[in-house]
Amino acid sequence: QVQLQESGPGLVKPSETLSLTCAVSGYSISSGYYWGWIRQPPGKGLEWIGSIYPSGTTYYNPSLESRVTISVDTSKNQFSLKLSSVTAADTAVYYCARVWFRYKVFDYWGQGTLVTVSS
Amino acid sequence: DIQMTQSPSSVSASVGDRVTITCRASQGISSWLAWYQQKPGKAPKLLIYAASSLQSGVPSRFSGGGSGTDFTLTISSLQPEDFATYYCQQANSFPLLTFGGGTKVEIK
Repeated sequence: QVQLQESGPGLVKPSETLSLTCAVSGYSISSGYYWGWIRQPPGKGLEWIGSIYPSGTTYYNPSLESRVTISVDTSKNQFSLKLSSVTAADTAVYYCARVWFRYKVFDYWGQGTLVTVSS
Repeated sequence: DIQMTQSPSSVSASVGDRVTITCRASQGISSWLAWYQQKPGKAPKLLIYAASSLQSGVPSRFSGGGSGTDFTLTISSLQPEDFATYYCQQANSFPLLTFGGGTKVEIK
């Protein structure tokens, strides 16, 4: 059974960098599939942030591309998100998920982690 | 960018009702569409992929239809556990993926 678990600080100061890690169990990241990050501001809808392939190839939402970096560590079977210069608008629940490549949908999700941007 | 518009934004229904939610794409996306269910405080759950294929373990009262720009998610007989928010997601422009704004199914 594939499981994903997000971790990282729940509070980040404005202008600083948000950093989260997604640990994957039950499946080896290096075996394939894309892996992604999605966020959801409180009371709002879902927004795709970006995705990464085990080779390190990344794709980002154009609206966030200048501030986002997604990386993968196959030795630890995890991937990470960094979002720089955060503001209150970046307050959200952040989810990591696996992309079922054949149909290009998110088939396994982490439970999500709330990140609040506040001084 | 492909925009996804869901309607209605919310719907009130009773147990046993048939409920249909609509998702419209700003341009044709063939059958590259998925539906997710999200309950409060939980991660979204994949229900339908490729517009009409039911994900393993999802009850058969859920069905998806459509192609091109117009899609539907139908719950044939609403059950208490189906009260949730539903999102569509287009996959035509992969790796760029976008979601609809969501439809909340509430108890009447």
